[in-house]
Amino acid sequence: QSVLTQPPSVSAAPGQKVTISCSGSSSDIGNNYVSWYQQLPGTAPKLLIYDNNQRPSGIPDRFSGSKSGTSATLGITGLQTGDEADYYCGTWDSSLSVGVFGGGTKLTVL
Amino acid sequence: QVQLVQSGSELKKPGASVTVSCKASGFTLPPYSINWFRQAPGQGLDWLGWINTNTGKPTYAQAFTGRFVFSLDTPVTTAYLQISSLKAEDTAVYYCARDRKIIDFDVWGQGTMVTVSS
Repeated sequence: QSVLTQPPSVSAAPGQKVTISCSGSSSDIGNNYVSWYQQLPGTAPKLLIYDNNQRPSGIPDRFSGSKSGTSATLGITGLQTGDEADYYCGTWDSSLSVGVFGGGTKLTVL
Repeated sequence: QVQLVQSGSELKKPGASVTVSCKASGFTLPPYSINWFRQAPGQGLDWLGWINTNTGKPTYAQAFTGRFVFSLDTPVTTAYLQISSLKAEDTAVYYCARDRKIIDFDVWGQGTMVTVSS
């Protein structure tokens, strides 16, 4: 069972917007940066968002991240069929000194 | 090109050991740490832990102590994951990832499929 809680699946139509939530606690999300990863089918995960809301070079601004308290959110606008993937959130747990991750959210673009 | 190159797929019998390598290309491993992940078929990512490439000190997630060992070569160009006493439930794709700070994995290996079957 994953430490961070994500919805198992979300879906939306092409061109629409979707948000994926990631819920934790004061010892993890509440006191540390959150990162988000996209895993396309059959490939390795790819960094989408780091430091809660920063995009690496090459990641389009359709992807955004935010954090409030012990929860974080990944937003994707202008959905494309190529965005169909699993999305994972991750952060550090300051109390346990371990990395903690969500169980992943499968995005379907209808 | 900055990348992590992992070793190829492995087929092992229960009780055997396996070593997965993760070689840095286009950059030097220190000061980055290397983290290891496991992804069983159809499942999410499990974080196995990390190794400090400056000190060689490994840190293991609680569920992965004992049979899992992280190591480095000298000079530090490659990280290794060794799994002993393999079980069928160890069947998974194993990934290494470069950590820029803390849980900021910007470079990932392509993954190594380890299959444990008699």
